Amino acid sequence: AQSVTQLDSHVSVSEGTPVLLRCNYSSSYSPSLFWYVQHPNKGLQLLLKYTSAATLVKGINGFEAEFKKSETSFHLTKPSAHMSDAAEYFCVVSRTGYSSASKIIFGSGTRLSIRP
Amino acid sequence: DTAVSQTPKYLVTQMGNDKSIKCEQNLGHDTMYWYKQDSKKFLKIMFSYNNKELIINETVPNRFSPKSPDKAHLNLHINSLELGDSAVYFCASSPPGRIYEQYFGPGTRLTVT
Repeated sequence: AQSVTQLDSHVSVSEGTPVLLRCNYSSSYSPSLFWYVQHPNKGLQLLLKYTSAATLVKGINGFEAEFKKSETSFHLTKPSAHMSDAAEYFCVVSRTGYSSASKIIFGSGTRLSIRP
Repeated sequence: DTAVSQTPKYLVTQMGNDKSIKCEQNLGHDTMYWYKQDSKKFLKIMFSYNNKELIINETVPNRFSPKSPDKAHLNLHINSLELGDSAVYFCASSPPGRIYEQYFGPGTRLTVT
């Protein structure tokens, strides 16, 4: 079984300060983990992915995430927030090497707000 | 050069009506999906199609029926619409062997009155 928990439903930071969006997962299998971003009134876009290679993965727009197996976490970070980062972020877990989309589990989302 | 497109963007209709949402992708992907996103932003997969074959069907009422005329299209038909069907519906596609790398359409906001 798999599950994913996004620990904060809403995060607000000032422009130029670091961003931390927290995600914990549970998986009976070897997990693959992803972050998707959804800007207002838009579809989701893949931000970055971990698929059992390097534990620190870099994505688009300066975001990165670190897979920590001992903590079952995959937190998303960015050193300096930009106004354009305001969006909803989804942490996603799936089973590595498994082809069924039914094994893709989306978190409940974290809304990131940026203060000027 | 839109990758995944959906029509219409907004759909307002009355209970009991039948409606369809169209989806097209020009990425050459072989798997397409329909998702439902509720008012709390919770995203749930409804269907996926691979090479014109339905491969998963989550616990979705049979009022919902996906139809794929070809690999580039996956339409969603909904019969006897109910208030609870109000949501944003997203179409997505993924390349062979990479189901996690999904490309989403802009969504269709369905409001049932």
